[in-house]
Amino acid sequence: QQQVKQSPQSLIVQKGGISIINCAYENTAFDYFPWYQQFPGKGPALLIAIRPDVSEKKEGRFTISFNKSAKQFSLHIMDSQPGDSATYFCAANSFSGGYNKLIFGAGTRLAVHP
Amino acid sequence: DGGITQSPKYLFRKEGQNVTLSCEQNLNHDAMYWYRQDPGQGLRLIYYSQIVNDFQKGDIAEGYSVSREKKESFPLTVTSAQKNPTAFYLCASSMGQHYSNQPQHFGDGTRLSIL
Repeated sequence: QQQVKQSPQSLIVQKGGISIINCAYENTAFDYFPWYQQFPGKGPALLIAIRPDVSEKKEGRFTISFNKSAKQFSLHIMDSQPGDSATYFCAANSFSGGYNKLIFGAGTRLAVHP
Repeated sequence: DGGITQSPKYLFRKEGQNVTLSCEQNLNHDAMYWYRQDPGQGLRLIYYSQIVNDFQKGDIAEGYSVSREKKESFPLTVTSAQKNPTAFYLCASSMGQHYSNQPQHFGDGTRLSIL
């Protein structure tokens, strides 16, 4: 029930295309859903995040779509660029007993070809 | 610049040896976390701490120990009991226990290998 399932494991997109990464969860107590971007040899950096009372959030070329009833959320990268090539992680936060805990998906390795 | 500093960037451990990974933050965050990252497995929580002198085991705490004597520092010791320590270790921090929906900020990691 604490898992977050992420797909696909890897993704190849042409420059200018749309990259779509999907995540699913079971625990309805999750209260916050961030996406992180990680480049090789670096720590993950927060990209965009959403709360479950919102169905969509857009920041520049990055959009999160959230479907509460299906317990799914996805990241869309519009006009994908070679500089977007990185590993992307979805996560879900539980806030219980005063502690925040993030549960991460397994990651998606995105390659954007010029 | 505010951020999280992890050191060293690379670390090698001999059999039977304990090694300590450093994590320092100047973000004035109360909460700090240690994660282990293995290829294809995402990030798994080792230990976390909400305040000084308090810490909790995460999902994979066996073979690891931590201390939190100062707000800014949260060192992780990989003990000889951890039989498969080769991994990328990430430290993170966030505002803390009185705040929900707070993002975690990460350092750039320490890569630990067995000699």
